[in-house]
Amino acid sequence: AQKITQTQPGMFVQEKEAVTLDCTYDTSDPSYGLFWYKQPSSGEMIFLIYQGSYDQQNATEGRYSLNFQKARKSANLVISASQLGDSAMYFCAMREALSNDYKLSFGAGTTVTVRA
Amino acid sequence: DSGVTQTPKHLITATGQRVTLRCSPRSGDLSVYWYQQSLDQGLQFLIQYYNGEERAKGNILERFSAQQFPDLHSELNLSSLELGDSALYFCASSSARTGYGYTFGSGTRLTVV
Repeated sequence: AQKITQTQPGMFVQEKEAVTLDCTYDTSDPSYGLFWYKQPSSGEMIFLIYQGSYDQQNATEGRYSLNFQKARKSANLVISASQLGDSAMYFCAMREALSNDYKLSFGAGTTVTVRA
Repeated sequence: DSGVTQTPKHLITATGQRVTLRCSPRSGDLSVYWYQQSLDQGLQFLIQYYNGEERAKGNILERFSAQQFPDLHSELNLSSLELGDSALYFCASSSARTGYGYTFGSGTRLTVV
């Protein structure tokens, strides 16, 4: 079964607007971590934000925030005030504590295109 | 610079050949992960090493092998290459400092012709 589901293959957003990227996850492990990565066209994978399953507050990092809804098993990424440089592929990932290898499971990704 | 070093950045080779991809993890990180990213398969986990020992194995073909050396750098060996092995190969390291999230290297883009 898919551990991470990203249902939006591609999205367009106007510059300066906010965009929400959906991510749902599947785990029975009470302890897990959720991550978002950005992959621009140059190919490198850039860490954006992390949310632990026991964190009480939603994570924020600059213009990135993670809308963590534990009961719904969703971890949506919100990018505020979009910039042209935000055009990239975005991956949601999860680490489960029960797997002592700390391997991350990745979703299929969402391509974001920011329009001027 | 993420601190994870991957070489080479680009590699073009012929079918049937063998190549070695190299990765140095971020200073202090003991875990190294290898992933393959192709257009139709997304990010596929290949193998993980922790302090020189193989810790987990994913969808790694028998033609592929890896190891982690005492200085913690890792090598991924790909042999009898096929056109379908063309992909972006990432190495990543992790530690408790980042919630065990990955710090990725810049990747090696392998093209098999």
